[in-house]
Amino acid sequence: KAGVTQTPRYLIKTRGQQVTLSCSPISGHRSVSWYQQTPGQGLQFLFEYFSETQRNKGNFPGRFSGRQFSNSRSEMNVSTLELGDSALYLCASSLGAPSYNEQFFGPGTRLTVL
Amino acid sequence: GNSVTQMEGPVTLSEEAFLTINCTYTATGYPSLFWYVQYPGEGLQLLLKATKADDRGSNKGFEATYRKETTSFHLEKGSVQVSDSAVYFCALRTVAQKLVFGQGTRLTINP
Repeated sequence: KAGVTQTPRYLIKTRGQQVTLSCSPISGHRSVSWYQQTPGQGLQFLFEYFSETQRNKGNFPGRFSGRQFSNSRSEMNVSTLELGDSALYLCASSLGAPSYNEQFFGPGTRLTVL
Repeated sequence: GNSVTQMEGPVTLSEEAFLTINCTYTATGYPSLFWYVQYPGEGLQLLLKATKADDRGSNKGFEATYRKETTSFHLEKGSVQVSDSAVYFCALRTVAQKLVFGQGTRLTINP
């Protein structure tokens, strides 16, 4: 069974640009969560989607948004990039609601903002 | 709010040494507790978990016991290997809430 896949794996952007990251969950999984990992802040929760609906949201500005499609694939978008957005963005999928099910993480997308 | 505090790294040990990585938590309600491991260039993998007080999670020689009285979930391994070199994250989750992670502890094992 294929694991969680994230594309692209690496991305370099400049300040002010926008970026879209993609996550394909494990087949059959209906929930996707996104996390930002930085050396200074550690792992911080961005948002969680279940059956195309955002179920939970972390404390990030509105520049960070996401969505989930009917096939459970998810995208997150960051607009007007700032230097501080440089991070590893991790996606995790679970069979059902992540509060009750194990989350499986992808390898991440490393975003560098110059 | 919920929070996790784990010992700061980096931690460097010799092969076959005993490992302890401390983790304490603050939570409302009765959280489930987790240890995740992140190998270089990879995402997080669930290492072990415990869902109620006095539960012991174990996997790949690692163990951790859910201690409600001390609000702790320390990770231990009796004899570490070079392949255990990674970053370890302690985390908690309460019902209907998101995972909350500690800062991570980088472990390096020297041959």
